Amino acid sequence: DIQMTQSPSSMSASLGDTVTITCLASQDIGNYLSWYQQKPGKSPKLMIYGATNLEDGVPSRFSGSRSGSDYSLTINSLGYDDEGIYHCHQYYEYPLTFGSGTKLEIK
Amino acid sequence: QVQLKESGPGLVQPSQTLSLTCTVSGFSLTSYSVHWVRQHSGKSLEWMGRMWSDGDTSYNSAFTSRLSISRDTSKSQVFLKMNSLQTEDTGTYYCARNGNWEDYFDYWGQGVMVTVSS
Repeated sequence: DIQMTQSPSSMSASLGDTVTITCLASQDIGNYLSWYQQKPGKSPKLMIYGATNLEDGVPSRFSGSRSGSDYSLTINSLGYDDEGIYHCHQYYEYPLTFGSGTKLEIK
Repeated sequence: QVQLKESGPGLVQPSQTLSLTCTVSGFSLTSYSVHWVRQHSGKSLEWMGRMWSDGDTSYNSAFTSRLSISRDTSKSQVFLKMNSLQTEDTGTYYCARNGNWEDYFDYWGQGVMVTVSS
């Protein structure tokens, strides 16, 4: 199975900050990587697919990038609404797998 | 609009069988695949299996032969059945729709919390 090593597991940032969350894939997954935001008590919401493509309706403050086997989600101009858990997900190969999640707190 | 909604018992006894239903609207099960994903303790997600639009199924081998996914297209429902439940199966179970072009999840149900306990 493809392992997705996500970091950090939790982080705290201030309003207006820029943060980056990273997932390292254990093998090549091409650009078959998506990112989800999950608010407390809610289901995950698709933010990014194809490593860099913004889902419709997602603010342009969110962006995805890739450098080799490292995939990153960057959030600019942090707001309180960005608080939650962020998950990466590879869909290059079955079984589909996820990172362990990053809990983002806004100070 | 696209909606998915899970339903099923909140409490299951150890060694018993879990039966969940995902009722969808706003799209056809013969056009889109539906996946089951579960979440332990509010953080890590685990893919369980997929009902393809053609009726085929794929499963995560981690569930060996415990898991079965089926559907009733006339009722727009996808079913999950998992037997021999253990306390480690406690979590929130989601159904999610497959994306238009690739195997990401573009819509999710609200989830159903399942506790395995005697």
